[in-house]
Amino acid sequence: AAGVIQSPRHLIKEKRETATLKCYPIPRHDTVYWYQQGPGQDPQFLISFYEKMQSDKGSIPDRFSAQQFSDYHSELNMSSLELGDSALYFCASSLRGDSPLHFGNGTRLTVT
Amino acid sequence: GQQLNQSPQSMFIQEGEDVSMNCTSSSIFNTWLWYKQDPGEGPVLLIALYKAGELTSNGRLTAQFGITRKDSFLNISASIPSDVGIYFCAGQASGTYKYIFGTGTRLKVLA
Repeated sequence: AAGVIQSPRHLIKEKRETATLKCYPIPRHDTVYWYQQGPGQDPQFLISFYEKMQSDKGSIPDRFSAQQFSDYHSELNMSSLELGDSALYFCASSLRGDSPLHFGNGTRLTVT
Repeated sequence: GQQLNQSPQSMFIQEGEDVSMNCTSSSIFNTWLWYKQDPGEGPVLLIALYKAGELTSNGRLTAQFGITRKDSFLNISASIPSDVGIYFCAGQASGTYKYIFGTGTRLKVLA
């Protein structure tokens, strides 16, 4: 079965650069979530979208923005990167927001 | 904000033993999910719970949605080496899309 696809798998950026992470949800899933997971930490909710509209917002820094496009894929844009932004970034998708989340394999972002 | 306390934080067990872990919250949740995560990989859904008191099994795994809607537990029976990993609970409150994750239980199985 098709799963959540994230790209790139790994990304190395320097401080103050920008990064764009992409997420392609499971076909027919209309809700996308972004989570940030630091080393040894639990996933922290950043933001979610339902039917291309922001549905919930968590601890997403103002330097980050995200959107969901007409084909339901989502992009997380990160600007003015800081060393502390180094983490695994997971995208998850679900159907209607009230069904279980299915996660991608994440993007490992390293900021140097 | 909402917090999910998961315990134990880590467990070392012998192969064949049963394992139990739980999550508690100060808030009421409408949905509880249990995930397993291997290093560098995304969390994989194990069990989903939607009703207070619900008891659901998935092979050697059994999970229950607490009656108060503020807790859930996961049991693994007859553990095997491939059960090694980090187990997370996640809860979703009414009127919100986001799932809050527990702090994780790190399981190690000794052969």
